[in-house]
Amino acid sequence: DVKVTQSSRYLVKRTGEKVFLECVQDMDHENMFWYRQDPGLGLRLIYFSYDVKMKEKGDIPEGYSVSREKKERFSLILESASTNQTSMYLCASSLGGQGLHNEQFFGPGTRLTVL
Amino acid sequence: ILNVEQSPQSLHVQEGDSTNFTCSFPSSNFYALHWYRWETAKSPEALFVMTLNGDEKKKGRISATLNTKEGYSYLYIKGSQPEDSATYLCAFNDFGNEKLTFGTGTRLTIIP
Repeated sequence: DVKVTQSSRYLVKRTGEKVFLECVQDMDHENMFWYRQDPGLGLRLIYFSYDVKMKEKGDIPEGYSVSREKKERFSLILESASTNQTSMYLCASSLGGQGLHNEQFFGPGTRLTVL
Repeated sequence: ILNVEQSPQSLHVQEGDSTNFTCSFPSSNFYALHWYRWETAKSPEALFVMTLNGDEKKKGRISATLNTKEGYSYLYIKGSQPEDSATYLCAFNDFGNEKLTFGTGTRLTIIP
């Protein structure tokens, strides 16, 4: 079974802090994704990566950056957290090369609160 | 940005009743349509991946149909049980793109 883990289930940070959210997958997937989920808005893609050191902006990249130094790990960085970044953050991975018709496997989510 | 819509936004169903909800998506450049179930405090899990017009998939009491020409998919749950309470997400995948575009979900609550 694919396992996607995220470093924290709940996180509370203060405005202006630098925040790191970590995601690790153990199935050698090529693609990794970061989403945020807000009530009434569904899952919105922040950034994704299709290879080590490669990244592409999603629909809402402003205020975020990412890092993928190793294939299994994809980090989301909030350079200076703001209250409007309070949300549920989900990491996902997929095989790549349109394998499994791009089915994505999700982590448990991190609920971030910025005070 | 692709438009994927789900309706209704939320639904309360009596235990034992059957129900269905809809996902609509762009009908051009279709590659795959995904259904996920997201239970509270758990990760979203894939239910179905559908690729062909007219596809019908079934897993226990849950089934889904696909119409790529008109751009919609239905998810059906027969004889709802409390464990069916979850948010059901559909996601559209266009050809050549490894990203998914998600709908806003249908939040289903089963009333015992």
